[in-house]
Amino acid sequence: GAGVSQSPSNKVTEKGKDVELRCDPISGHTALYWYRQSLGQGLEFLIYFQGNSAPDKSGLPSDRFSAERTGGSVSTLTIQRTQQEDSAVYLCASSLLGQFFGDSPLHFGNGTRLTVT
Amino acid sequence: GENVEQHPSTLSVQEGDSAVIKCTYSDSASNYFPWYKQELGKGPQLIIDIRSNVGEKKDQRIAVTLNKTAKHFSLHITETQPEDSAVYFCAGNGAGSYQLTFGKGTKLSVIP
Repeated sequence: GAGVSQSPSNKVTEKGKDVELRCDPISGHTALYWYRQSLGQGLEFLIYFQGNSAPDKSGLPSDRFSAERTGGSVSTLTIQRTQQEDSAVYLCASSLLGQFFGDSPLHFGNGTRLTVT
Repeated sequence: GENVEQHPSTLSVQEGDSAVIKCTYSDSASNYFPWYKQELGKGPQLIIDIRSNVGEKKDQRIAVTLNKTAKHFSLHITETQPEDSAVYFCAGNGAGSYQLTFGKGTKLSVIP
């Protein structure tokens, strides 16, 4: 079946512009996560959705970052007034139930590579 | 929250040899420890996971061991092949946490 799909795969934007990154999780997966991966670094947690609610937004680095999820499916991560330090790969992942409920595994998309010039 | 440390950051082995990657975690209440493999330009892919009620799990050439007392777990790859070359990440879930905390990764190179 289809995996987690992210678009665009690459995005180059000018400093100060807003960007939207999209994630289509695996059908039926109630939990959705956004992570950020900077060059040579591990995966940094940003936000977790259970259904359309976000019980954990603790990883969002600033108020320029926001995310929403609609219909228990598609999610959009928005970065306003982008800065060069926002350059990274943004990864979306989904799981059937969510880590809190039974440790169902995370399935990752291939990410969006964001470059801020 | 959970803190996961991973060693080594890079590892080179000859084809056919074994590779071992080690991780330590801080939260004694963590009970789920997955390992992910990331190839260039792709997202991480789950290769094996272990829960705290078992000490070892094997899947063909891959095995993971867990020492809850010492709070460390390891990935073992035997009979390595060039296609095993990738970045490997360990992770732990932390108590009552909705998120996985990842190590910084190990770049494994298998030399033909």
